[in-house]
Amino acid sequence: AQTVTQSQPEMSVQEAETVTLSCTYDTSENNYYLFWYKQPPSRQMILVIRQEAYKQQNATENRFSVNFQKAAKSFSLKISDSQLGDTAMYFCASRNNAGNMLTFGGGTRLMVKP
Amino acid sequence: GAGVSQTPSNKVTEKGKYVELRCDPISGHTALYWYRQSLGQGPEFLIYFQGTGAADDSGLPNDRFFAVRPEGSVSTLKIQRTERGDSAVYLCASSKTASSGGELDTQYFGPGTRLTVL
Repeated sequence: AQTVTQSQPEMSVQEAETVTLSCTYDTSENNYYLFWYKQPPSRQMILVIRQEAYKQQNATENRFSVNFQKAAKSFSLKISDSQLGDTAMYFCASRNNAGNMLTFGGGTRLMVKP
Repeated sequence: GAGVSQTPSNKVTEKGKYVELRCDPISGHTALYWYRQSLGQGPEFLIYFQGTGAADDSGLPNDRFFAVRPEGSVSTLKIQRTERGDSAVYLCASSKTASSGGELDTQYFGPGTRLTVL
């Protein structure tokens, strides 16, 4: 079984600054995938970034990047140049290699302040 | 192209009633997933379809919950004898594949159905 933990229920950041959201996970799989999803008030879960566990290079998508520490089972999300539209719930999730269920953390509410 | 759609957006029902929630996946996606998200929590897996068959229904909480996908596209989640504890947002997701182990397994979500049981 996989578990995902997000230890920060709420975070805030000033517009244009950088913020890091934490995530730790536990799995018995040798290969797996990790994701960050964003959920604005509209409820739609939007994929932000994905990381394959066998790749050592940290994934990046424009202003979003991850710090993947496999030995520590840590997968943090860094948002650079924060924008007001980044205000949302952020969920960390893991998926085993069989590709079916996602296991989600409890989420972090991010508020970007003008 | 069109994303995952779910209807209705909101559903209010009375305790003991039967409800159906519909999910229309992205065209060409063979895998379809249902999750339930209670207030203030992350989504929890309910069931996963590969084509028409339920490949994994280990997340269904009890036998009041049932889901079908008869033609391998649209899926319906059915809840019998609803209880107040069933109140939640029900999310549907689809992916192009489910066992390739690559980017094609990435799940894309719909906007969810908010179910309220009075």
